[in-house]
Amino acid sequence: NAGVTQTPKFRVLKTGQSMTLLCAQDMNHEYMYWYRQDPGMGLRLIHYSVGEGTTAKGEVPDGYNVSRLKKQNFLLGLESAAPSQTSVYFCASSYRWTLTGLSGNTIYFGEGSWLTVV
Amino acid sequence: EDQVTQSPEALRLQEGESSSLNCSYTVSGLRGLFWYRQDPGKGPEFLFTLYSAGEEKEKERLKATLTKKESFLHITAPKPEDSATYLCAAASGGGADGLTFGKGTHLIIQP
Repeated sequence: NAGVTQTPKFRVLKTGQSMTLLCAQDMNHEYMYWYRQDPGMGLRLIHYSVGEGTTAKGEVPDGYNVSRLKKQNFLLGLESAAPSQTSVYFCASSYRWTLTGLSGNTIYFGEGSWLTVV
Repeated sequence: EDQVTQSPEALRLQEGESSSLNCSYTVSGLRGLFWYRQDPGKGPEFLFTLYSAGEEKEKERLKATLTKKESFLHITAPKPEDSATYLCAAASGGGADGLTFGKGTHLIIQP
């Protein structure tokens, strides 16, 4: 059981280049999320998805696009990378929220993708 | 705007010295309060989820409690392997379905 897997783990981009981060989960979770973590800022939600074919904006969506074509995969794209997007990116997944709480009671995180834009 | 504030930012304890970490939250309709542990270079690892004031959960040397305004993570007789950054996060009923995180408490347990 791999859980939440992110690829690549490390990447260096030049300003203006594009790239895609891939997140895969094998827990049949409905919800998937992309966060970024910066020193002194904590984890911030970029985009999320509540099911296959759906996406929604989080707290810091500008400069990013996402797609959820398959239930198990959630892609995060940078169309034109900027130095301000240098960060550690975390993908997460969970079952859905119900009236009594989060099914499964937790949101699982991947190991992170370190992105540097020069 | 949902806010989660953790204190202290950093805490250094001697092995066996018990203490508490604080997480105060301001969210529109709390759906759940989460605690995670994060080791350097790793993703957050789930510890606890609390749903209502008065709820408590325990795991080994850790105990999490929840009131209407804050949550505490109590660490009893900590060991060096408990050294990590502890993250608190709140799920709000008023916004996106993700979590709002605090900045974390960096805990160091000295032998």
